[in-house]
Amino acid sequence: GAGVSQSPRYKVTKRGQDVALRCDPISGHVSLYWYRQALGQGPEFLTYFNYEAQQDKSGLPNDRFSAERPEGSISTLTIQRTEQRDSAMYRCASSLEVGYYGYTFGSGTRLTVV
Amino acid sequence: KQEVTQIPAALSVPEGENLVLNCSFTDSAIYNLQWFRQDPGKGLTSLLLIQSSQREQTSGRLNASLDKSSGRSTLYIAASQPGDSATYLCAERAGNMLTFGGGTRLMVKP
Repeated sequence: GAGVSQSPRYKVTKRGQDVALRCDPISGHVSLYWYRQALGQGPEFLTYFNYEAQQDKSGLPNDRFSAERPEGSISTLTIQRTEQRDSAMYRCASSLEVGYYGYTFGSGTRLTVV
Repeated sequence: KQEVTQIPAALSVPEGENLVLNCSFTDSAIYNLQWFRQDPGKGLTSLLLIQSSQREQTSGRLNASLDKSSGRSTLYIAASQPGDSATYLCAERAGNMLTFGGGTRLMVKP
């Protein structure tokens, strides 16, 4: 596609429910990244993929968070048993590949846990 | 762990002023440094990408410089306009991820 697409744009969920956030990167982009951004702060790294392989998940806060990219294109970030502290903007970005290329970000998913 | 700091955190200027936003980073072994613009409720728009081998990049009224030895980058905005009001984020790429600063919230008053 022309840009990075994320869905849904907004998600309100009750505490304890599971949520799945979707990211569709730019066609041909090898690397895909997930970031989380709290209000008034810069985005913080969660995890990234090269093709379908998850290369680094050191930024995932705990084992309730997981991500996959089974066919090397669309990725899903799943949060199980959501808590209020999970409320944030979740941003996805893609890059042609690791190294000297810039990132292109999607519009993000605003998650609110009530 | 890489750290990126942006100063000032917030800035308010009258229309027409030239201004400088500052970004400092701790890891000099970077691939590149990217400046983004963030508008409320919207995504991050890439403004300028400076490779580690470059000293500056220009796009319209924007000019970004990079000094790896001192761990600093600056974003210069010429003849600021109310439409420039947004949060500006710098991010360094060292290794496999971008590390962001906290951003500078810019308000340009008509």
